[in-house]
Amino acid sequence: QQKVQQSPESLIVPEGGMASLNCTSSDRNVDYFWWYRQHSGKSPKMLMSIFSNGEKEEGRFTVHLNKASLHTSLHIRDSQPSDSALYLCAASTNSAGNKLTFGIGTRVLVRP
Amino acid sequence: EAGVTQSPRYAVLQEGQAVSFWCDPISGHDTLYWYQQPRDQGPQLLVYFRDEAVIDNSQLPSDRFSAVRPKGTNSTLKIQSAKQGDTATYLCASSFGGRSTLYFGAGTRLSVL
Repeated sequence: QQKVQQSPESLIVPEGGMASLNCTSSDRNVDYFWWYRQHSGKSPKMLMSIFSNGEKEEGRFTVHLNKASLHTSLHIRDSQPSDSALYLCAASTNSAGNKLTFGIGTRVLVRP
Repeated sequence: EAGVTQSPRYAVLQEGQAVSFWCDPISGHDTLYWYQQPRDQGPQLLVYFRDEAVIDNSQLPSDRFSAVRPKGTNSTLKIQSAKQGDTATYLCASSFGGRSTLYFGAGTRLSVL
């Protein structure tokens, strides 16, 4: 079964700092990655998705993808206390349609 | 537009009891998912449907869990004989079309004592 591995497990970032999160898939058929954010006691909400090599930026969030190594990373600049949450990486394959496999997540704490 | 609705929000059971979870997806979404999320872990897919058909239930413990979506709209997930290891939040999500965003409901938090 496809595995999605995330690192680090947890991260403490000062307010205004940069948070960097990593995600790798072990399935060579993966061709689409998603990042979801889940605040405590809430349901996951999609942040960004990426399927092309390179970089995609939306506001303070930047996602990178290296398809050869099946590695994606999420970077949050100018981190705010409201960014404190569980960040989930998910992957899907072309053959599996819209079936998303999630990693265990990276818990980010932004300290004021 | 209404989001994904789940009920109940919480359930507390003794081992061996049965429980059902209900999900109403976003109107027009053809794909519905049930995920199990243990505390401090990522969601794990149990089963998903496209319309009324089961697309993948390979991770559903079939001896105790069942899921239906008879008219391709609402769905019910049932646990016949709950175990302590079933303690988790059960999330329902829906999406439309391929490679599209999943929208999650608020979840049902299950505790099995």
